[in-house]
Amino acid sequence: EDKVVQSPLSLVVHEGDTVTLNCSYEVTNFRSLLWYKQEKKAPTFLFMLTSSGIEKKSGRLSSILDKKELFSILNITATQTGDSAIYLCAVSIQGAQKLVFGQGTRLTINP
Amino acid sequence: DAGITQSPRYKITETGRQVTLMCHQTWSHSYMFWYRQDLGHGLRLIYYSAAADITDKGEVPDGYVVSRSKTENFPLTLESATRSQTSVYFCATRDTLNTEAFFGQGTRLTVV
Repeated sequence: EDKVVQSPLSLVVHEGDTVTLNCSYEVTNFRSLLWYKQEKKAPTFLFMLTSSGIEKKSGRLSSILDKKELFSILNITATQTGDSAIYLCAVSIQGAQKLVFGQGTRLTINP
Repeated sequence: DAGITQSPRYKITETGRQVTLMCHQTWSHSYMFWYRQDLGHGLRLIYYSAAADITDKGEVPDGYVVSRSKTENFPLTLESATRSQTSVYFCATRDTLNTEAFFGQGTRLTVV
């Protein structure tokens, strides 16, 4: 059974801190890994990773994939209260249309 | 450009009633999906569709029915609603399998 596990499930930090969110996976035939941010409503896309070791970066957010160890991390530096959200990791599988999601990490940034 | 529109945004229904959640996209993406989101479970796939008239079961399909007679619409029907189907339902689309999925705003369904 395809499985995606995120850790921690919940994280509370102070504004300005750096956080690292983890996503590990066990799937039959890996195609890509995606990160989403979910505030009050719909998940919004952050990154898609297909190759090991190549960092994707957008402002204070960055992510990297390790296909040998089957995990990805999402880093957020100099956190702001607007970064408070649920961060979702999903894996796209070869030969299938679906995305398999992890449980999400609820990140809270306190001022 | 509306993208994906889900309706209704909120719905309260009684146990045993049939209810249909609508999903409409303006992009002509091939792939459409229905997920439910519950605390502690993340997003779980209910049904998906690769094209008009092609649908397939996801992880939690029991109690749900879908159809896709037109590319742009993918309604989800709860044939006889149960309290365990109280959830937030998200519709999503993908253009190809190498691109990200886009999500609708969600429908919060409460079954009483």
